[in-house]
Amino acid sequence: QSALTQPPSASGSPGQSVAISCTGTSGDVGGYNYVSWYQQYPGKAPKLMIYEVSKRSSGVPDRFSGSKSGNTASLTVSGLQAEDEADYYCSSYAGSNNWVFGGGTKLTVL
Amino acid sequence: QVQLVESGGGVVQPGGSLRLSCAASGFIFRTYGMHWVRQAPGEGLEWVAFTPYDGRNKYYADSVRGRFTISRDNSKNTLYLQMNSLRAEDTAVYYCVKDSNTWAFDYWGQGTLVTVSS
Repeated sequence: QSALTQPPSASGSPGQSVAISCTGTSGDVGGYNYVSWYQQYPGKAPKLMIYEVSKRSSGVPDRFSGSKSGNTASLTVSGLQAEDEADYYCSSYAGSNNWVFGGGTKLTVL
Repeated sequence: QVQLVESGGGVVQPGGSLRLSCAASGFIFRTYGMHWVRQAPGEGLEWVAFTPYDGRNKYYADSVRGRFTISRDNSKNTLYLQMNSLRAEDTAVYYCVKDSNTWAFDYWGQGTLVTVSS
């Protein structure tokens, strides 16, 4: 049950696009199309943004998109806005009713 | 609307025990799996435990297996986490989380802080 690998930080200017990667193994990210992404503001609970690799949760702007290739999933935020500045976590189903999270990425809007 | 309200957190000495509760409302509790997820201060998220809709089976992260027990009472719409043999590294905010039935975590409580310290 090793954590998925995310870059500690990412940044972009308003209006730009930024991608956050999430690397696992064939036992989690690569083996299942059950990758999800969460947005968390300081002191708040996480919020589901993307599930099943690329499906947006209800109410999530279409500026947020997800994809996967092999053992690596990605969250792309297009048209960056100041309100997108937050921590982002990926998660994957890892089989046998186990789940694993990434270490988190702090997104800064410059 | 879905509401998950955790309670039972606090300060406990190493080796001690604590039981967390999570009162659920706004959805048909008995038809959804439920999780506990924790977050140590300044750290990332860690999945802790899962129980399916009927509570018959329980699944745990390696870090807590044998020390923590997840359970649910569908008649009371309540999820529990019994934590025994607590260690300093168990210090974290513990979130009660609803399973989405799509292998994701779709609703989160506000969390309850557990501090293990002498």
